[in-house]
Amino acid sequence: EAQVTQNPRYLITVTGKKLTVTCSQNMNHEYMSWYRQDPGLGLRQIYYSMNVEVTDKGDVPEGYKVSRKEKRNFPLILESPSPNQTSLYFCASSLKYGIGKNIQYFGAGTRLSVL
Amino acid sequence: EDQVTQSPEALRLQEGESSSLNCSYTVSGLRGLFWYRQDPGKGPEFLFTLYSAGEEKEKERLKATLTKKESFLHITAPKPEDSATYLCAVQASDFNKFYFGSGTKLNVKP
Repeated sequence: EAQVTQNPRYLITVTGKKLTVTCSQNMNHEYMSWYRQDPGLGLRQIYYSMNVEVTDKGDVPEGYKVSRKEKRNFPLILESPSPNQTSLYFCASSLKYGIGKNIQYFGAGTRLSVL
Repeated sequence: EDQVTQSPEALRLQEGESSSLNCSYTVSGLRGLFWYRQDPGKGPEFLFTLYSAGEEKEKERLKATLTKKESFLHITAPKPEDSATYLCAVQASDFNKFYFGSGTKLNVKP
């Protein structure tokens, strides 16, 4: 089954404790992206990756890091989480990033609470 | 600044009562406009992509249209299973970036 898998689904942590949210896709997609979803603000893009070893900032990259060492995986790293990073996070992937191939498929989400 | 605004924030309909959701956008060079459906506890699920003004797409009770400034998602004779949050997103001149609206939460009562 074609899917984007995020882990964990739920996470409660404390300020300053490094964490990683994993994302894996089995569709051989080139493009992957991370979003956060907050009430009233919609989905905002954190980072994206056009291919292995190629990543760039979205609209809200502060406090986050990413890496793309393999095509299928795109982990999101919070090196020193703060309470304002409490949010619902989604990973997405698409075949490519050009017109006609840019339909994004989303994971089920990771709900993060930073105390 | 690229911006996407959806209205209304919430919409309650009776089963069979048709209506429309609005997505207005201000972007530099629209590359594509996307509609997604999001159910509680799940990720967004793709519905439609529109690329140019005048384009229309249909799927069951849903029809999406696009003008130079906005898109509409028309829901004809909705059923309770159409209840969900509907998200609009645009892809601007930078192919890699996507901007989402905050969504319209639709509730269809039997």
